[in-house]
Amino acid sequence: EVQLVESGGGLVQPGGSLRLSCEASGFTFSSYSMAWVRQTPGKGLEWVALINTDGSAKHYVDSVKGRFTISRDNAKTSLFLQINSLRVEDTAVYFCARDPGWSVDYWGQGTLVSVSS
Amino acid sequence: DVVMTQSPLSLPVTLGQPASISCRSSQSLVHTDGNTYLNWFQQRPGQPPRRLIYKLSNRDSGVPDRFSGSGSGTDFTLKINRVEAEDVGVYYCMQGTHWPRTFGQGTRVEIK
Repeated sequence: EVQLVESGGGLVQPGGSLRLSCEASGFTFSSYSMAWVRQTPGKGLEWVALINTDGSAKHYVDSVKGRFTISRDNAKTSLFLQINSLRVEDTAVYFCARDPGWSVDYWGQGTLVSVSS
Repeated sequence: DVVMTQSPLSLPVTLGQPASISCRSSQSLVHTDGNTYLNWFQQRPGQPPRRLIYKLSNRDSGVPDRFSGSGSGTDFTLKINRVEAEDVGVYYCMQGTHWPRTFGQGTRVEIK
């Protein structure tokens, strides 16, 4: 059974940083691109970042470029999102997701990031 | 970015009756490889989204056959043949053809 378990969310002040983690199991992690997708009540679902199977290619939505960094450790079957210079508008539930190609087929339960002073 | 526009945003339906959700994209979703990477997701309260349909019309494993996807180019539809109580939730379309991938605003399906 495919499982994706996120952690690392929390309450942080504007300008702060967090590192989100996602532990994957139940599939060959190194064979899949992986992604972070966030959800807010106001903006709905937003694709944040994508990383290919070996980490050599990364893509970001414009609103997070230069502030967010996606990475992975295939040996530890883990996905990460380093988020810096946090803004109030980054408040969201962040989902780890498996990308089989041009889609998402499995999602984690999500981790909440709240940015507030 | 490709804008995905869903309608209606709220859909009250009677149990056992059909339901239809429209999704329109601001650009064609036909990829250079010939595929149309249009997906549909269902999100129940307190749950992450669950994929129902991928590549326009392919149902995921375990998805009831009352769900079907259709369309072409920039105009797409998700149909539920006979709505059941467990179908309550928010439905999203998502395009995977262009970067960044983008979602529709969501359509809330509720029972009348």
